Amino acid sequence: GESVGLHLPTLSVQEGDNSIINCAYSNSASDYFIWYKQESGKGPQFIIDIRSNMDKRQGQRVTVLLNKTVKHLSLQIAATQPGDSAVYFCAERGTSYGKLTFGQGTILTVHP
Amino acid sequence: GAGVSQSPRYKVAKRGQDVALRCDPISGHVSLFWYQQALGQGPEFLTYFQNEAQLDKSGLPSDRFFAERPEGSVSTLKIQRTQQEDSAVYLCASSPRDRANEKLFFGSGTQLSVL
Repeated sequence: GESVGLHLPTLSVQEGDNSIINCAYSNSASDYFIWYKQESGKGPQFIIDIRSNMDKRQGQRVTVLLNKTVKHLSLQIAATQPGDSAVYFCAERGTSYGKLTFGQGTILTVHP
Repeated sequence: GAGVSQSPRYKVAKRGQDVALRCDPISGHVSLFWYQQALGQGPEFLTYFQNEAQLDKSGLPSDRFFAERPEGSVSTLKIQRTQQEDSAVYLCASSPRDRANEKLFFGSGTQLSVL
């Protein structure tokens, strides 16, 4: 994939605001999508997933929306907290069994 | 409960040196994955095991990279004759299902620096 180096998209919000993180995916054949949260020095942590036969799925404080027409995925975080500050990655599963393709990531910073 | 454990946490190697990175998946997890994460980028797939069988190694960047999981549990990623471009965080993940890559559980990674 293309390299964007250290210039990840960033989103800064105030504590208590709602956050929306967007992701464009590339493979129209992808059937499964996941959002991961990665804190500094740690591995990615699963947040929520969605299959291609759905367009919305809700979890605790998080909602994932899938628009297959424009190949767009979004993660909504309600009442964002300082502990939500991290890099967020979307990932898709295409036709290769056992392989996830990750997006470039978005840095979320939550200010108290 | 124990998560995915990787060792060493940090590894500094001189160019040309061989390194071995270890992954202890969550007990009973069938699927195991290795990913490479360069600074500021998302993880990139290297290889996938289902039990002891290596089903996909299409992401290994060269024949200097070799992975094994001989007994279907612990896995080792070996890099021979390391180069500076190998510097990255190497992440291991496991999944409980034999239908892979649903809810992968990642370790904290091994940060490899090649000087």
